[in-house]
Amino acid sequence: SQKIEQNSEALNIQEGKTATLTCNYTNYSPAYLQWYRQDPGRGPVFLLLIRENEKEKRKERLKVTFDTTLKQSLFHITASQPADSATYLCALDNHRDDKIIFGKGTRLHILP
Amino acid sequence: EADIYQTPRYLVIGTGKKITLECSQTMGHDKMYWYQQDPGMELHLIHYSYGVNSTEKGDLSSESTVSRIRTEHFPLTLESARPSHTSQYLCASSELRLPGEQYFGPGTRLTVT
Repeated sequence: SQKIEQNSEALNIQEGKTATLTCNYTNYSPAYLQWYRQDPGRGPVFLLLIRENEKEKRKERLKVTFDTTLKQSLFHITASQPADSATYLCALDNHRDDKIIFGKGTRLHILP
Repeated sequence: EADIYQTPRYLVIGTGKKITLECSQTMGHDKMYWYQQDPGMELHLIHYSYGVNSTEKGDLSSESTVSRIRTEHFPLTLESARPSHTSQYLCASSELRLPGEQYFGPGTRLTVT
């Protein structure tokens, strides 16, 4: 069955450093891969989308890479700030069945 | 901040009651979705819609129903609430054209006693 794996344990990063989150997937061929941020008790907020034919995408302090051979995406936050503390969700869209599947997310704590 | 609204934000209700969770969006999006999410778990799609008069079941078996009479409105109804329905319910919308990044509402936290 389709599966998305994200770091199940919380990630603690010192303020100012780069935070790197991993998303691995199996039994799936995504046309798009999306990253969302979710704060406690709130709905997810869309951050970035990368297509299967793109290797890297950037938006301000955020960078996403997509390796369809490794079936992996990396999500980087540079110059991290305590306000970046949240859960980050990876989501896959195969462009065929009109559904997006979400991972469980990784909790990120930026320590001041 | 996305223009998608959910009411109520929190609801505590007894077993057997009928409830309707409201969701409205002002972005003119054709596609709308309902997800269920338990703490620390992934979102599970329970219903979605391509537009007016379109409703589809998602991957998670659900005892709920939805309707789409107007583009902006996508309510979810539980005919008889049970404790197993206790969860966070998230509504989302997206444009019909791909790729479909989704815009989420704040969620309804439902507790069935």
